[in-house]
Amino acid sequence: QKEVEQDPGPLSVPEGAIVSLNCTYSNSAFQYFMWYRQYSRKGPELLMYTYSSGNKEDGRFTAQVDKSSKYISLFIRDSQPSDSATYLCAMSRPRGSTLGRLYFGRGTQLTVWP
Amino acid sequence: DGGITQSPKYLFRKEGQNVTLSCEQNLNHDAMYWYRQDPGQGLRLIYYSQIVNDFQKGDIAEGYSVSREKKESFPLTVTSAQKNPTAFYLCASSPDRDQETQYFGPGTRLLVL
Repeated sequence: QKEVEQDPGPLSVPEGAIVSLNCTYSNSAFQYFMWYRQYSRKGPELLMYTYSSGNKEDGRFTAQVDKSSKYISLFIRDSQPSDSATYLCAMSRPRGSTLGRLYFGRGTQLTVWP
Repeated sequence: DGGITQSPKYLFRKEGQNVTLSCEQNLNHDAMYWYRQDPGQGLRLIYYSQIVNDFQKGDIAEGYSVSREKKESFPLTVTSAQKNPTAFYLCASSPDRDQETQYFGPGTRLLVL
């Protein structure tokens, strides 16, 4: 079993829809949770970053972490065609325990059509 | 401009040839990483370095080698021992040894002739 599971999609939604992207994980030691956005043939860019459980909101994006269920989500409100990209979840253990390495999901490919 | 640069953007390798991918950062970050990305497989860690003159193998280090002689630079060599090198290679850096947020370069696409 991979440590981080993510449905690769593809996911296709109309402009203005609410998008929900999810990852599950198996290692309860994970404390930091990230979402990266990757446009085609580009490097990933950090979108959201959350420590431990709870919600974090940034504009149209909301990240949720439920450590009891080992489940994280990214919600995109009022989705736009410019949101079309691959979204990668990533997570890591507490600082000092593993020299900062990240564990990535496979990525979910999202298309928002006008 | 601060950031991470990778070169070349595209690289072609012949059978039996070693090739080196460049990664430079001017963010003054301590840690640097190399990932390989294949379609539908996400990012897999090849090597990482927390400090100059020190580096560790990641999950798929076989057929690759690295050096870290300067803080700003972390070149990756794809050796002839890597039998399936065609992939998108991504370099990343992070601000300190335990920093969980990584910043990525634009990537190098390696193709085998």
